[in-house]
Amino acid sequence: AQSVTQPDIHITVSEGASLELRCNYSYGATPYLFWYVQSPGQGLQLLLKYFSGDTLVQGIKGFEAEFKRSQSSFNLRKPSVHWSDAAEYFCAVGSFGNEKLTFGTGTRLTIIP
Amino acid sequence: NAGVTQTPKFRILKIGQSMTLQCTQDMNHNYMYWYRQDPGMGLKLIYYSVGAGITDKGEVPNGYNVSRSTTEDFPLRLELAAPSQTSVYFCASSPPGQGYEQYFGPGTRLTVT
Repeated sequence: AQSVTQPDIHITVSEGASLELRCNYSYGATPYLFWYVQSPGQGLQLLLKYFSGDTLVQGIKGFEAEFKRSQSSFNLRKPSVHWSDAAEYFCAVGSFGNEKLTFGTGTRLTIIP
Repeated sequence: NAGVTQTPKFRILKIGQSMTLQCTQDMNHNYMYWYRQDPGMGLKLIYYSVGAGITDKGEVPNGYNVSRSTTEDFPLRLELAAPSQTSVYFCASSPPGQGYEQYFGPGTRLTVT
């Protein structure tokens, strides 16, 4: 069975500082990996996805993530955060032939001036 | 192209009442999903559908029912509402062949008192 762990429940970062949100997955074969963002009171929006190929993927809003098979990780990064990045971030894993995604429990990001 | 729409946005129910949460997508996606989101728990899959006339249980189906008579609509029915069903409900849809990348609606916040 596939599973996702987001070890950080809440992270606080200063505006302009760099950001890394952690995601570890468990799945035997090559996973499909996603990062979603949820602003307060909103639905989830896809930031980026990895299916195959280049392990560094670029997404919207200046985010990127790197797939590391040896570490079973798919961490989300941004070089310089903006106040508008304050939100909850969810990592999700899927697999070929499985129409269901498994979501992590989320990381809440707070930005301080 | 409205994407995934959900109605209502908010609802308060009394214990034992019933209601239907509506979900419609205009992207001609085969796959549709219902999730509930509780604080600190991430997203839990309630039911999903791989096409009109086909539905299947997710992780937390008790107390809910679904139907899928058309590609566009996937209503979620709550029978005999209980306080444990107080949650935010999200509908999502996914096209085939893209790793089941999901597109989310804005959510329905339901309170059962």
